[in-house]
Amino acid sequence: NAGVTQTPKFQVLKTGQSMTLQCAQDMNHNSMYWYRQDPGMGLRLIYYSASEGTTDKGEVPNGYNVSRLNKREFSLRLESAAPSQTSVYFCASSEIEGPGDTQYFGPGTRLTVL
Amino acid sequence: RKEVEQDPGPFNVPEGATVAFNCTYSNSASQSFFWYRQDCRKEPKLLMSVYSSGNEDGRFTAQLNRASQYISLLIRDSKLSDSATYLCVVNYLMIKAAGNKLTFGGGTRVLVKP
Repeated sequence: NAGVTQTPKFQVLKTGQSMTLQCAQDMNHNSMYWYRQDPGMGLRLIYYSASEGTTDKGEVPNGYNVSRLNKREFSLRLESAAPSQTSVYFCASSEIEGPGDTQYFGPGTRLTVL
Repeated sequence: RKEVEQDPGPFNVPEGATVAFNCTYSNSASQSFFWYRQDCRKEPKLLMSVYSSGNEDGRFTAQLNRASQYISLLIRDSKLSDSATYLCVVNYLMIKAAGNKLTFGGGTRVLVKP
């Protein structure tokens, strides 16, 4: 079991470039999430997918789009990267959508936008 | 005011000592509470859930005070390997099918020194 995997691990973009961050989980989880982590800010939810076929905005969705490709995969796209999107991005998944369920995180993608 | 607030630290702790720190939350409708651990440049991992009656897991004790809206984490007999950032996480009552959304504090950094 690989758990939650993310690619790439590191990325440097120029302002205005686009890219897609990939996330996959092999735990048969229903729900998946994208967070960003900035110093002193904690993790903030960008988008989530409660189940296959559904996606919803989180706390900071502007500048991002997501696709829940299938049950395993949940991608995050930056259409036109901005320096304010420099951050560490974590994907997570949970088995069910219940309030007490544990979220499992991927190793993160460190993105720098110049 | 942040929804979940933590003292960022660092808490410098001699090996073998006890350290405790709190986290306050603003939404009285909060349902579930957790402590996650995050090592430097790694992903967050669940340390323990926090139950109303308080709970213990080895050297770690978590407590919840709903009246004052805070949770605490106590680490006894600190080990060098306990050095990490501890994230306070709160789950709010959500409409079903809206996903298991967590709100993270900014983290408390603990440094255990020989």
